[in-house]
Amino acid sequence: AQTVTQSQPEMSVQEAETVTLSCTYDTSESDYYLFWYKQPPSRQMILVIRQEAYKQQNATENRFSVNFQKAAKSFSLKISDSQLGDAAMYFCAYRSDYGGATNKLIFGTGTLLAVQP
Amino acid sequence: GAGVSQTPSNKVTEKGKYVELRCDPISGHTALYWYRQSLGQGPEFLIYFQGTGAADDSGLPNDRFFAVRPEGSVSTLKIQRTERGDSAVYLCASSLSDGANVLTFGAGSRLTVL
Repeated sequence: AQTVTQSQPEMSVQEAETVTLSCTYDTSESDYYLFWYKQPPSRQMILVIRQEAYKQQNATENRFSVNFQKAAKSFSLKISDSQLGDAAMYFCAYRSDYGGATNKLIFGTGTLLAVQP
Repeated sequence: GAGVSQTPSNKVTEKGKYVELRCDPISGHTALYWYRQSLGQGPEFLIYFQGTGAADDSGLPNDRFFAVRPEGSVSTLKIQRTERGDSAVYLCASSLSDGANVLTFGAGSRLTVL
């Protein structure tokens, strides 16, 4: 069975600085997707970025980028030029791409990011 | 609608009572998912609908939990004989068909069982 581990329960960053959130996962599959979701106090999960495992190039979305290390099964999120609105819980998630793949996601336990003004 | 709508936003009930949680997905989204998020945890998959049928209900914890989507749009998650351990945020999400389409989540229903 696949697992997702986020070893940082809480992180803090100064406004305008850069922070990296860690995520590792375990799977025997070679085709899958990885995601970072943001969950503010409103509870709605918002997709930040996603990475297809077959792509070697790291995904980037504006100030958000990932460091995807497939062999090491590592998928970290880098937030550049942090803003107060980035403060939220961040979840790493895994999705298989096998056999009629669905959006049945496996989530980590989350990292609470605080942004200091 | 413009987003995934879930009602009620908050529900407090007593142990042993029956509860229904409603999800109204984005119009045209055929795939619908229910997840449960316990305090301090990430969401856990409960059930997935493709159209009207439950394509995967492997995440339902026991037979007290049941979900329906009779017309392929609105879905209702039903919990019988609620227990204190059922207290959690229940998240609904939808997507266009499936495969590579990303999920859009609702704001969830927070259930508290006293």
